[in-house]
Amino acid sequence: NAGVMQNPRHLVRRRGQEARLRCSPMKGHSHVYWYRQLPEEGLKFMVYLQKENIIDESGMPKERFSAEFPKEGPSILRIQQVVRGDSAAYFCASSRDRGRNSNQPQHFGDGTRLSIL
Amino acid sequence: ILNVEQSPQSLHVQEGDSTNFTCSFPSSNFYALHWYRWETAKSPEALFVMTLNGDEKKKGRISATLNTKEGYSYLYIKGSQPEDSATYLCAFPNTDKLIFGTGTRLQVFP
Repeated sequence: NAGVMQNPRHLVRRRGQEARLRCSPMKGHSHVYWYRQLPEEGLKFMVYLQKENIIDESGMPKERFSAEFPKEGPSILRIQQVVRGDSAAYFCASSRDRGRNSNQPQHFGDGTRLSIL
Repeated sequence: ILNVEQSPQSLHVQEGDSTNFTCSFPSSNFYALHWYRWETAKSPEALFVMTLNGDEKKKGRISATLNTKEGYSYLYIKGSQPEDSATYLCAFPNTDKLIFGTGTRLQVFP
């Protein structure tokens, strides 16, 4: 299956721990987007990355959240010192071309459901 | 603030009924409009990317139209089936990111 792969599917953390969410884009895609779905809300953009670069992080909370997309390996969304309000579904999407220049859709993974105890 | 609105929020129809729902988006600086189908516990699946005013796209029993001048798109499902039950999302690209509506949740009863 050459789709967008996210792991883990479910992640449980205690308050204060760190959460690491991984995303491998579709083969041939170098643009990665992270979205978050809070309970009872829609999908909200967090960050857009290309290989080794953060292009747009306007949707990222200012503290505790970071993202990277290294030259080799998956994109990582990292949440430090998690709090109950971080409980959400985190979705990764990828595209072949840059979003603003493309009429291609973004392809989504199945998401990581993060639960904070 | 960019707003993408979808209506209705939810819809219950009988198998065989045809149905439609609406996505409203800013009509200025239009580039494209995306439609996605999202089944519970799965990933959003791309249905259409619409770019031209008056565009009409079709995929099986599902079709969509686009009016960029007035800022709306309609999604139609002809002869709904239980397997069409899902949340249908539209999304408006703003620079590189997608701004999603809250979706229309469709349930088709046999």
